[in-house]
Amino acid sequence: SQQGEEDPQALSIQEGENATMNCSYKTSINNLQWYRQNSGRGLVHLILIRSNEREKHSGRLRVTLDTSKKSSSLLITASRAADTASYFCATVLGNTDKLIFGTGTRLQVFP
Amino acid sequence: DTAVSQTPKYLVTQMGNDKSIKCEQNLGHDTMYWYKQDSKKFLKIMFSYNNKELIINETVPNRFSPKSPDKAHLNLHINSLELGDSAVYFCASSQGREEPQHFGDGTRLSIL
Repeated sequence: SQQGEEDPQALSIQEGENATMNCSYKTSINNLQWYRQNSGRGLVHLILIRSNEREKHSGRLRVTLDTSKKSSSLLITASRAADTASYFCATVLGNTDKLIFGTGTRLQVFP
Repeated sequence: DTAVSQTPKYLVTQMGNDKSIKCEQNLGHDTMYWYKQDSKKFLKIMFSYNNKELIINETVPNRFSPKSPDKAHLNLHINSLELGDSAVYFCASSQGREEPQHFGDGTRLSIL
C-alpha cells in the first residue's frame, strides 16, 4: 500500500508566486525526503528532513514536518518556470529497506 | 560523469520477447534499486541489492530477474514481455537504506 499521499495533485502558478505542496504518510518515520522529477528525466533528491526536525531550508525550498499529524509540506518561494516538474515525498516503510513514494504533485509555473 | 546511467533509454519490442536493461553507478554506493513508474507517475520499488545481495524482492512476476555482477551494476532481465510491462523503469543507488537515492534517467519500455 502507498505510504504517502500528496495534495494538490496539480498546481499552476505564475512565476514569482510561492508554491506549497503537502504530503501525508501513514506510519512512523525516521526521515522524510522530497524529490523532483522533470519531464522525461529521473528523480532528483531535493531535501531530507529527520523526524526530530520541524523545519529545514535549502535555497528557495522550505520543508516542514509535523510527526504528530504525519504530514510534511514543501514550499518553493519565488517560483521560476524552471521549477515546472513533479514533486514527490518519500519515506522508508517501517523496518524495511523500501523507500515508498507519494502520489506526486505536478507543478506548472507560467512565465 | 553521469552518476547513475542506464541503457537503453528507449526500448520498443513485441509481446513475448525477452529484453534486458543495464544500470551502472559510479558513486561507490553499496545499494542499488529498480523501480517501475506507470502512466500515472506512480513509482513502485521492484528490487534492491546491497553489495550484490538481493534484499528487496517485491511482488513482481518471476519473468523479471535482476542480476548484480558487482556492486556498481544492477541489470534487469525481462522474459516473455507482456503489454502490461509497458512503463518507465528507473535504476537508483544510495549509500544506505534511509539515505538519498540517485536515479538514472529511466528506460521507457513500450510493448507492441
